[in-house]
Amino acid sequence: AQTVTQSQPEMSVQEAETVTLSCTYDTSESDYYLFWYKQPPSRQMILVIRQEAYKQQNATENRFSVNFQKAAKSFSLKISDSQLGDAAMYFCAYRRGNSGAGSYQLTFGKGTKLSVIP
Amino acid sequence: DTGVSQNPRHKITKRGQNVTFRCDPISEHNRLYWYRQTLGQGPEFLTYFQNEAQLEKSRLLSDRFSAERPKGSFSTLEIQRTEQGDSAMYLCASSLGLNTEAFFGQGTRLTVV
Repeated sequence: AQTVTQSQPEMSVQEAETVTLSCTYDTSESDYYLFWYKQPPSRQMILVIRQEAYKQQNATENRFSVNFQKAAKSFSLKISDSQLGDAAMYFCAYRRGNSGAGSYQLTFGKGTKLSVIP
Repeated sequence: DTGVSQNPRHKITKRGQNVTFRCDPISEHNRLYWYRQTLGQGPEFLTYFQNEAQLEKSRLLSDRFSAERPKGSFSTLEIQRTEQGDSAMYLCASSLGLNTEAFFGQGTRLTVV
């Protein structure tokens, strides 16, 4: 079974600074997808960024970027120029590729609570 | 509002009672997912629909739980004979295809007393 581990229950960052959230996963699959979701206090999950395992290039979305290390099964999220609105729970998630049962369900980590200090 | 809509937002029920939640996905999204999120945990997959067909159920979905998606539109999740351990946030998500973004609703928070 796939597992996703987020070892940092809480993190804090000064406004305008950079922070990195860690995520490791365990899978025997070669085809899969990785995601970072943001869950603000209103509880609606929002997709921040996604990475296809077959792509070597790290995904980037504006101030958000990932460091995908496939051999190490590591998938960290870097937030640059942190803003107050970035404060939220961040969840790392895994989904197996497009074959077989379970290829549509997301497996989430326990989350990291990010606080942004003004 | 064209996002995923869940009702009610909050539900308090006595142990042993039945509850039903509703999820209205984004229009034309043929895939619908239910997740459960307990305090301090990430969401856990419960079940998945493609159109009206329920294609996968997690082992978390005991026989007290039933989900439907008649006509491939809205979905309902019913919990019979609720237990305190059922207290959680129940999240619904929908997507247009397998490789497209899943959009989540705001969830229904269930408290069993």
